Amino acid sequence: QQPVQSPQAVILREGEDAVINCSSSKALYSVHWYRQKHGEAPVFLMILLKGGEQKGHDKISASFNEKKQQSSLYLTASQLSYSGTYFCGTAEATDSWGKLQFGAGTQVVVTP
Amino acid sequence: NAGVTQTPKFQVLKTGQSMTLQCAQDMNHEYMSWYRQDPGMGLRLIHYSVGAGITDQGEVPNGYNVSRSTTEDFPLRLLSAAPSQTSVYFCASSYRGPRNTEAFFGQGTRLTVV
Repeated sequence: QQPVQSPQAVILREGEDAVINCSSSKALYSVHWYRQKHGEAPVFLMILLKGGEQKGHDKISASFNEKKQQSSLYLTASQLSYSGTYFCGTAEATDSWGKLQFGAGTQVVVTP
Repeated sequence: NAGVTQTPKFQVLKTGQSMTLQCAQDMNHEYMSWYRQDPGMGLRLIHYSVGAGITDQGEVPNGYNVSRSTTEDFPLRLLSAAPSQTSVYFCASSYRGPRNTEAFFGQGTRLTVV
């Protein structure tokens, strides 16, 4: 079953913050976040591993609450380059990379 | 370093035709996967492989075949194309480390079945 992402879309002005959520009904080992620009391939942002680890990538950070099987991606002081569709991918075991299940995506539009 | 290369980039097929989507990676990655991407549905796993000679089905395998004779190549075969297979197809690869690792995606193949 695919993880559920929310919101489906968000429009921001440059400098504003946003949060994207990803939740699963299954016990997870890791959550992966990717960003895809229109017409391009998804690009890796970060992996969150079981243990509540929090990671960051520039001004984009994320957390993983393994008790709730939820992950959140934080876009801080958004830049125009943050526009794109963000996907979370979930894995249930350490060697289950090949079985990543992706959410439907959250479209982010950052305006000047 | 080319990364993950997919060919062709665009393809139009008639219903019932067969074809092979090519995927090659030059990073010596053990894991390779095929996804299809449809509007509003994100990426759905078709087939994946954990190494040469080993493949398994994902969420939506019907109508597709794969094989992996080498570490580098992981072709996806459409046996008898149907309009429902119109989609963008992505191939991805990853290093098999002690933990789940980053996936590298190819640029995609946009397939239209008429």
